[in-house]
Amino acid sequence: TQLLEQSPQFLSIQEGENLTVYCNSSSVFSSLQWYRQEPGEGPVLLVTVVTGGEVKKLKRLTFQFGDARKDSSLHITAAQPGDTGLYLCAGATSNTGKLIFGQGTTLQVKP
Amino acid sequence: DAGVIQSPRHEVTEMGQEVTLRCKPISGHDYLFWYRQTMMRGLELLIYFNNNVPIDDSGMPEDRFSAKMPNASFSTLKIQPSEPRDSAVYFCASRSSGSSPLHFGNGTRLTVT
Repeated sequence: TQLLEQSPQFLSIQEGENLTVYCNSSSVFSSLQWYRQEPGEGPVLLVTVVTGGEVKKLKRLTFQFGDARKDSSLHITAAQPGDTGLYLCAGATSNTGKLIFGQGTTLQVKP
Repeated sequence: DAGVIQSPRHEVTEMGQEVTLRCKPISGHDYLFWYRQTMMRGLELLIYFNNNVPIDDSGMPEDRFSAKMPNASFSTLKIQPSEPRDSAVYFCASRSSGSSPLHFGNGTRLTVT
């Protein structure tokens, strides 16, 4: 069974602080995606990483795929209240189309 | 593009009743997924289809759950009989290929009393 473990599960910080969310597995993934979900809505894709060691930036968000393609991290610089939400990582082990999600990290950014 | 459309948004039913959740994927998407989300277990994959054919149903919890995709624009997830532990938010999602992003609907919040 492929498992994706995210940490921390909950994070409450003040506006302006930095944070990192981790996504770890013992499985190798062909690609890994990060999603953000707001209450009452479905998750929305933020980024896809494919190559081991790959780093992608989306404004204040930096995503990294581990060299061995078993783990990933999401770093947010100078968090804003608008960053509040549930962050989910999802891994694919092949191009079969199957995506397995981590448990998610609930982020609250206080003004 | 209207996105993935799920109905109903909310469903409240009594234990033992049959529940049918519906999904219309994005036109042209070949993959359709059903997920269930709870606080305890997160987002669990129940089943997914490729070109209307079920590919992996290993996540379906038990025989009370069934899913169909009679054509490329419609899928159902049925629970019969429903139980209180089935209470969750059920999401449908679609994607155009095996490596493209998943597009989620807004979910159906199911409450079984």
